[in-house]
Amino acid sequence: GESVGLHLPTLSVQEGDNSIINCAYSNSASDYFIWYKQESGKGPQFIIDIRSNMDKRQGQRVTVLLNKTVKHLSLQIAATQPGDSAVYFCAESSIGGYNKLIFGAGTRLAVHP
Amino acid sequence: GAGVSQTPSNKVTEKGKYVELRCDPISGHTALYWYRQSLGQGPEFLIYFQGTGAADDSGLPNDRFFAVRPEGSVSTLKIQRTERGDSAVYLCASSSDGNTEAFFGQGTRLTVV
Repeated sequence: GESVGLHLPTLSVQEGDNSIINCAYSNSASDYFIWYKQESGKGPQFIIDIRSNMDKRQGQRVTVLLNKTVKHLSLQIAATQPGDSAVYFCAESSIGGYNKLIFGAGTRLAVHP
Repeated sequence: GAGVSQTPSNKVTEKGKYVELRCDPISGHTALYWYRQSLGQGPEFLIYFQGTGAADDSGLPNDRFFAVRPEGSVSTLKIQRTERGDSAVYLCASSSDGNTEAFFGQGTRLTVV
């Protein structure tokens, strides 16, 4: 059957390497940014978020960097594992904007053993 | 249930028919969202409910689309006179209020033939 992200750009990495997924957002007024992971046949799963008053935030094995000057967001995954294989979306919103999320186009991450 | 539940998981309908898609949010979540995801793209916002009322329906593409949430829990997305262009995955999400993390269901894949 069809799968999400069939025609998306793909990032291929070796298991154990670090991955960096990039995203350009559109609205300079957005002040809340989220990264989602979506596996085939499933809904998006929250990974990490960041507010515009920060430029870096770390989670477990993941780091999000925000550059408001060039409207760029990146997700770094340390020691990438096969279970990280999925499509990754960035999304933007406004704090107080009730999760009216604007999603980017997505990047497929393929992890090879 | 523990997460957002959507039924059916797959729906095939003929052009011109009427369909209903159901979303059971996480218990106690007052905010509910519908998104639509076409192949190879990120989800697109359709409508947001706070309680029983549609606080923002600006993403509904036309008047063939309608959604209700009569008791502030389960929501139904209704599509009249379906067209082939309506084929997509329809995602539902809920959050405890409008400003906290949104949890997505697995989606309903709608195919109009």
